[in-house]
Amino acid sequence: GQSLEQPSEVTAVEGAIVQINCTYQTSGFYGLSWYQQHDGGAPTFLSYNGLDGLEETGRFSSFLSRSDSYGYLLLQELQMKDSASYFCAVRPNNDMRFGAGTRLTVKP
Amino acid sequence: NAGVTQTPKFQVLKTGQSMTLQCAQDMNHNSMYWYRQDPGMGLRLIYYSASEGTTDKGEVPNGYNVSRLNKREFSLRLESAAPSQTSVYFCASSEGGETQYFGPGTRLLVL
Repeated sequence: GQSLEQPSEVTAVEGAIVQINCTYQTSGFYGLSWYQQHDGGAPTFLSYNGLDGLEETGRFSSFLSRSDSYGYLLLQELQMKDSASYFCAVRPNNDMRFGAGTRLTVKP
Repeated sequence: NAGVTQTPKFQVLKTGQSMTLQCAQDMNHNSMYWYRQDPGMGLRLIYYSASEGTTDKGEVPNGYNVSRLNKREFSLRLESAAPSQTSVYFCASSEGGETQYFGPGTRLLVL
């Protein structure tokens, strides 16, 4: 089967750096994705790692280690608007599996 | 360019009633998905359609049926609603699978 583990909550202050970890177990693997969801809204795509290493998109970076079945999302220069839930997701085949999500609270 | 649209936005049903949730995308994507989201459980895949004419079960298909009407539209049907199906339902589409685009969601309450 498939399982993804990520912390349920993280709190940080404005301007800081926060890392959200994700470990996974899947029967197949095409890559690790990250999605952001604000309260009451729909998930939106943030980043994708198909190969090992770091991908950077502005203030957000994502890392993957396939040998460790592990990845993380790094958010730098935190802003209040970054308060949201963040989900890691894996694509075992043509489907998609999401983690339970990490609720990030950014405090002034 | 509307992206992914879902109707209705809100719905209240009584136990045993049936309904169909509609989803349409205008991005010419091959793949479409239906998820449900419950508090603290993230998104769980109900059914997906990798291409027009195909559908497959996801993690939680029991109590649901789907129809891929054409490349644009993918509907989700609840034949006999149960309180356990109270949830927020999201439709998504993608080309290649890595990036999924989500609709605004349908909030369903089954009494």
